[in-house]
Amino acid sequence: DAKTTQPPSMDCAEGRAANLPCNHSTISGNEYVYWYRQIHSQGPQYIIHGLKNNETNEMASLIITEDRKSSTLILPHATLRDTAVYYCIVRSYSGNTPLVFGKGTRLSVIA
Amino acid sequence: DGGITQSPKYLFRKEGQNVTLSCEQNLNHDAMYWYRQDPGQGLRLIYYSQIVNDFQKGDIAEGYSVSREKKESFPLTVTSAQKNPTAFYLCASSPRQGADSPLHFGNGTRLTVT
Repeated sequence: DAKTTQPPSMDCAEGRAANLPCNHSTISGNEYVYWYRQIHSQGPQYIIHGLKNNETNEMASLIITEDRKSSTLILPHATLRDTAVYYCIVRSYSGNTPLVFGKGTRLSVIA
Repeated sequence: DGGITQSPKYLFRKEGQNVTLSCEQNLNHDAMYWYRQDPGQGLRLIYYSQIVNDFQKGDIAEGYSVSREKKESFPLTVTSAQKNPTAFYLCASSPRQGADSPLHFGNGTRLTVT
């Protein structure tokens, strides 16, 4: 699976959009981009995933660049409860492969 | 409610004892996974199973064993051979073949070995 690079930490003001970047320059054509978050001492929570097109659900939007070498997770109106570690993961399409986690980005939402 | 249940939430053992962590899912998912997390680190894969009676080693399988006798259950045994067993253990499952099916995680078991 391709590796990802994320900033170790970010701050965001409450009510503003949080834009979390991820670089995956070695991604191949059959690999999905997944985003999870983990609030302290809990299991990771699935947020969103995509292959080529931008995706949106009730939690977030995922913007994938045309060359697929990077992506941005957008939380449109961050709240204090969005404070967590966010993981960007690239996953091969072949089989039911496990997720490979890096260290993620620690997002702090500030009142 | 459907979900993944890990029990207990906290577990304490003496060094040299084997201990088994429970993971049960009622989501009818085919695949199940075990991860380990150390403080300030990401998750590392221990074992995974794509189907009943079959499982594969992950990146850090040494000192651990698993079984998958039933679709809904994937217990993890931490043996005395595991040199640093104190950690947060997370179980996950996913519904079908292919990368287009997210993993769903339980809320973990925190194991402390003294």
